[in-house]
This record gives sequence, C-alpha cells and structure tokens, in this order.
Amino acid sequence: KQEVTQIPAALSVPEGENLVLNCSFTDSAIYNLQWFRQDPGKGLTSLLLIQSSQREQTSGRLNASLDKSSGRSTLYIAASQPGDSATYLCAVHDNRLAFGKGNQVVVIP
Amino acid sequence: EAQVTQNPRYLITVTGKKLTVTCSQNMNHEYMSWYRQDPGLGLRQIYYSMNVEVTDKGDVPEGYKVSRKEKRNFPLILESPSPNQTSLYFCASGRPNTGELFFGEGSRLTVL
Repeated sequence: KQEVTQIPAALSVPEGENLVLNCSFTDSAIYNLQWFRQDPGKGLTSLLLIQSSQREQTSGRLNASLDKSSGRSTLYIAASQPGDSATYLCAVHDNRLAFGKGNQVVVIP
Repeated sequence: EAQVTQNPRYLITVTGKKLTVTCSQNMNHEYMSWYRQDPGLGLRQIYYSMNVEVTDKGDVPEGYKVSRKEKRNFPLILESPSPNQTSLYFCASGRPNTGELFFGEGSRLTVL
C-alpha cells in the first residue's frame, strides 16, 4: 500500500522567502504525482502535475521536481506572498490516488 | 462553468438514519471519486469509479455505498451512519492520468 509523507507538517516564513515543501512516497511504480492547494474549508485546487517520465514541472513561481527512484518530490514556491498561505497536498497516482497529510504554510507579511 | 457540485454542504444527522450525499459534474468526466478528510489523517479515498457501472473500493470503504448509473452523478450513500463517519467529504472528477482533477467544495457531515 502506497504511503505518502509530507515534511514539515507546518511552517511559517516571512514574505519574500522561498518555500520548500517535501513529499516522499514508498512505492515508485507511479503514473504521476500532483501537488494541490487547499484553503481552509475549501476543496482542492490542482497546482502542478508531474508524469512519471518527467523530472520537473513549472508554473509561474511554482516548480515541482520528481525523483521517482528515491520516492521524492519537492515543491518550490519562489518569493512567497501572504496569499500563498494554505495547505499544500501531495498526491501519488498508482491505480489509486494516495494523499499526504499536507504542509500547512503561513506566510507572514 | 466547469464544476463539481456536492449536496448537502452541511448536514447534522443521527446514528442509523440513512443519508445520501450527491455529487454531480458537468465536464463529461469518466473518473469520479469520493474522499473523506479528517484531522491528522489527511484525505483518504472511499470509493472511485472509472466509468458508468464501474466502481471500486478505495482505502476506507466500510460503511459506505456508491452507485454510478450515469456519467455525471456519483452519490455516496451511508446506509446506517455512525459517529465515526463524522467528517468532511469531497467528491472529485477528472482524468487522473492527465492531471485534470476537479474537487467539489466539500460536505461537512456530523453524525450524533
């Protein structure tokens, strides 16, 4: 059974700093890995998808890398803003979609 | 507007009273899924459906039923709710292989 772990569970950073969020998974036989954002009391919004054959994906200030052999992905958010405050979830797809518990981020103005 | 609609958004019920949470999508997606989200446990998949009349158990299917009689609807049925089913429920639809996955706004269920 796929296990997805996200570290750290929570972090606070001052505005302008770069954010680094980590996700690890136990079974490397995956189709893809996705990063989602969740605001309090809301649903999930997809941020980036990395197919198993890819090493990274970029969208604006966001960059996600994937190292399938070591079972790791990292989400970088450059020059963080208060609007980036949210919970970020990593999800791994291997027949099912398995989620980590999230990184709760607070960006301090 | 592309969306996944869940109803009800909030519900308080009592143990044993059957209830259904509806989920509807207007994007003609074949894949639909239900999750529950609990503090400290994260999001866990209850059931998913790859297409009409095709459903499979996720990680926590006990106490739940689903049906997929038509592509746009995927209701979650709690035949005899219990307090441990108090949770925030999300429905999603999309094409997971391409990353096109849309979530509903969530349904907060409390079972007394």
